[in-house]
Amino acid sequence: NAGVTQTPKFRILKIGQSMTLQCTQDMNHNYMYWYRQDPGMGLKLIYYSVGAGITDKGEVPNGYNVSRSTTEDFPLRLELAAPSQTSVYFCASSYPKGEFFGPGTRLTVL
Amino acid sequence: DQQVKQNSPSLSVQEGRISILNCDYTNSMFDYFLWYKKYPAEGPTFLISISSIKDKNEDGRFTVFLNKSAKHLSLHIVPSQPGDSAVYFCAARSHAGGTSYGKLTFGQGTILTVHP
Repeated sequence: NAGVTQTPKFRILKIGQSMTLQCTQDMNHNYMYWYRQDPGMGLKLIYYSVGAGITDKGEVPNGYNVSRSTTEDFPLRLELAAPSQTSVYFCASSYPKGEFFGPGTRLTVL
Repeated sequence: DQQVKQNSPSLSVQEGRISILNCDYTNSMFDYFLWYKKYPAEGPTFLISISSIKDKNEDGRFTVFLNKSAKHLSLHIVPSQPGDSAVYFCAARSHAGGTSYGKLTFGQGTILTVHP
């Protein structure tokens, strides 16, 4: 099992550009999450999904969109990148004890 | 509104000694607490957890203590090893609705350095 995989690992965007961060899990978990981590801060929840076709906002959803068409995939979309979205993004999927995290995507918006 | 706080940004410990990482929370609805460990350029990995019906959970060198009245939990690592050097995050969850899953609220993290 690969667990939770994220692509790309790194990306530099210009202000106003858009991109999609990809996340895939192969553990057949229903619950999936997107977090962002800013320097010196804990992880903050952006969006989450409890199953295919069902998504909901977390603590910091502004500027992002998600979709969940399959159990495996949970992409995160940035439509108009802003410098405030410079962060490390982690995707995770849930099992009863805790969450499996992907390795992260480091995004810089200039 | 920081519902989960780790007030010590960093901790330095000698190899073989005990490491104690602390975490405070404010939300009384939290009923499940977790500790995650994070190495640079990697995602957090689950370390140990505790339900609010317990006050202690042990797993090898790692023990988590929960003091509900003080809304405080701590992670003890004994003995500490250089490989334990990482960022440690405390997280909390509310099982509202009776589900086994729920959104996690994280603390800011504590950087642990274990010196040989």
